[in-house]
Amino acid sequence: SYVLTQPPSVSVAPGKTASITCGGDNIGTKSVHWYQQKPGQAPVMVIYYDSDRPSGIPERFSGSNSGNTATLTISRVEAGDEADYHCQVWDSTSEHYVFGSGTKVTVL
Amino acid sequence: QVHLVESGGGLVKPGGSLRLSCAASGFTFSDYYMNWIRQAPGKGLEWISYISSSGRTIFYADSVKGRFTISRDNAKNSVFLQMNSLRVEDTAVYYCGRYRYGGFDYWGQGTLVSVSS
Repeated sequence: SYVLTQPPSVSVAPGKTASITCGGDNIGTKSVHWYQQKPGQAPVMVIYYDSDRPSGIPERFSGSNSGNTATLTISRVEAGDEADYHCQVWDSTSEHYVFGSGTKVTVL
Repeated sequence: QVHLVESGGGLVKPGGSLRLSCAASGFTFSDYYMNWIRQAPGKGLEWISYISSSGRTIFYADSVKGRFTISRDNAKNSVFLQMNSLRVEDTAVYYCGRYRYGGFDYWGQGTLVSVSS
C-alpha cells in the first residue's frame, strides 16, 4: 500500500518560516491535502489540491507538490500555529485514503 | 454552518460490537460523500471507510474490512458505522468527515471507542 513519510517534529521561531515535508513515491502525480490538528481538537483542512486554501485559512499557509515530496509552508509563524500537521492523498491503486504519520510543529 | 456530531462511543470488551452515528446539519447531506477516520491514542490519523452520496459505493481500509459496515440515511442526515468483532487495537477516537476537494473539509468532534477486557 502507498506510504506517506513525514518528519516527526519541526521547530521554528516566531516570525520565521516552517516547512513540513510529506514524502511518497511519485507523490507529485497525486493531489495532496493538509490538516492542522491542535491538542484535543478535530483536524482542520488547511490546504487542498496541493496548494489551495479553504475559506478562512490565512495566506501564510501554502503548499507545493513535485516529484517525491509535497511541502506545507507556514510563513511568519505564530504561537497559534503550534499543532500537529497531517498530509493525505487518495491512492487509486488500493482505493484507500492514506495519511502521513503527522508532524508536530513547535514554536520556540 | 456545517456541523457534524458523532455519538455511540464507549467501553466494550474484545469481540463486542458498537454502532457509531454521525448527525449532519448545515448542508445538503445527500449531496456529499462521507467518511469515518480514526485516531488511536497518541497516534496519527487512519482513514477507515467511505460511502458515496447515494450509498452505492463503499470502501474500507484493510484493517476493518469484514468487521465494520458503513451506511447512511439521507432522510435523517446521518451516517453510521457498525463495528463488530472489536479488537484492542480498534481503540481510538472516531471522527466522521465530509468529503470535498479530494479530502475532508469538515470533521466532527469525535467519539471515543475503548476496547478492553
